[in-house]
Amino acid sequence: DIQMTQSPSSLSASVGDRVTISCRASQDIRNFLGWYQQRPGNAPKSLIYAASILQSGVPSKFSGSGSGTDFTLTISSLQPEDFATYYCQQYHTYPPTFGQGTRLEIK
Amino acid sequence: EEQLQGSGGGLVQSGGPLRLSCVGSGFTFSGSPMSWVRQAPGKELEWVSAISVTGGSTYYADSVKGRFAISRDNSRNTVYLQMSSLRAEDTALYFCAKGSRCGTYCFDLWGRGIRVAVSS
Repeated sequence: DIQMTQSPSSLSASVGDRVTISCRASQDIRNFLGWYQQRPGNAPKSLIYAASILQSGVPSKFSGSGSGTDFTLTISSLQPEDFATYYCQQYHTYPPTFGQGTRLEIK
Repeated sequence: EEQLQGSGGGLVQSGGPLRLSCVGSGFTFSGSPMSWVRQAPGKELEWVSAISVTGGSTYYADSVKGRFAISRDNSRNTVYLQMSSLRAEDTALYFCAKGSRCGTYCFDLWGRGIRVAVSS
């Protein structure tokens, strides 16, 4: 199975900050990567697919980049509702696999 | 509004069965591949099973193969996960998730989690 490794595992930031989360795949997955946001007690919400394409309705403060094995999610101008856990997921190779998550906390 | 609504969780003894259901609305359910994904307490997301739009093809994670069965009823806009021979390690929050135009495993909609607790 393809291993997805996110860094950092947790991150503290302030309202208004810009943060970047990294995701590395153990093999080349081209751009078959999605990002999800999960608030405590809620279902995951899809933010980005194909590494950089925003899902409908997702604000442009979220952006994704990368291809191959290295990917990033950037969130600009953090607001209270952005503090959540973020997961990357590859869907290039069966079975689909997720990163361990990055918990974004308020400083 | 697109929605997925799950039901059927609960507390079950080790070795017992349980069936989860997930009803879709606001989108063409019969045109959407569906998956189940779970999250054990404090752990990351783990894909469990998927089913094609017609139900003719099913897929399972190695951890549940032979114990879980996924099915769907497009007339009821519902996907099911029949779980048997449950183990303590199956304790998790189970989510149904909808595949999208970018792929069966490219999820664009998730249902609220269904809590499953297996007692040993």
